[in-house]
Amino acid sequence: SAVISQKPSRDICQRGTSLTIQCQVDSQVTMMFWYRQQPGQSLTLIATANQGSEATYESGFVIDKFPISRPNLTFSTLTVSNMSPEDSSIYLCSVDGQISGNTIYFGEGSWLTVV
Amino acid sequence: GENVEQHPSTLSVQEGDSAVIKCTYSDSASNYFPWYKQELGKRPQLIIDIRSNVGEKKDQRIAVTLNKTAKHFSLHITETQPEDSAVYFCAASNNNDMRFGAGTRLTVKP
Repeated sequence: SAVISQKPSRDICQRGTSLTIQCQVDSQVTMMFWYRQQPGQSLTLIATANQGSEATYESGFVIDKFPISRPNLTFSTLTVSNMSPEDSSIYLCSVDGQISGNTIYFGEGSWLTVV
Repeated sequence: GENVEQHPSTLSVQEGDSAVIKCTYSDSASNYFPWYKQELGKRPQLIIDIRSNVGEKKDQRIAVTLNKTAKHFSLHITETQPEDSAVYFCAASNNNDMRFGAGTRLTVKP
């Protein structure tokens, strides 16, 4: 499976600020996904990021709140904008398994706490 | 879209006993069903998966069964150990559109 690195791993953020999470993969991947996991909850897909096109957002998530970049096949960023305490979550970058297909592998996650 | 339901939400077993977690899905086009284990403070890790052309798959103490007609699949852990304690998530996917169950918190008591 691909090695997926996320930065930051943890952060405490002030209400109203924005934070950009970076995701780096050690191999080229077609599809990258951003998930949110609120405390004690399951994983919810925010958006799918393909290189060379705009991200596709799931219901309940909008580009103004969660802008995403995908400049190449190994890198993506997710920005959480104008944060509120409700945005306190783990944000997980993930990629598809390429060879195995459909399999989703997760980065180590970015633990954000908004105060 | 796909909807995945997972039961039970919590499960407590004695070490050495078996644990079974069940999931149902709604989209008959789903063709890939992974299971993830998430330990406290860590990311979800893929532990086993099954594709729609297979009814059962086993990997040591872990097995997954799939009933496509009934649209349900299950995770079976035998001879449970304290290190199996974690939250387990099932998921169903159709061409990379993956949806997760709500999770099961498994506690294995020594």
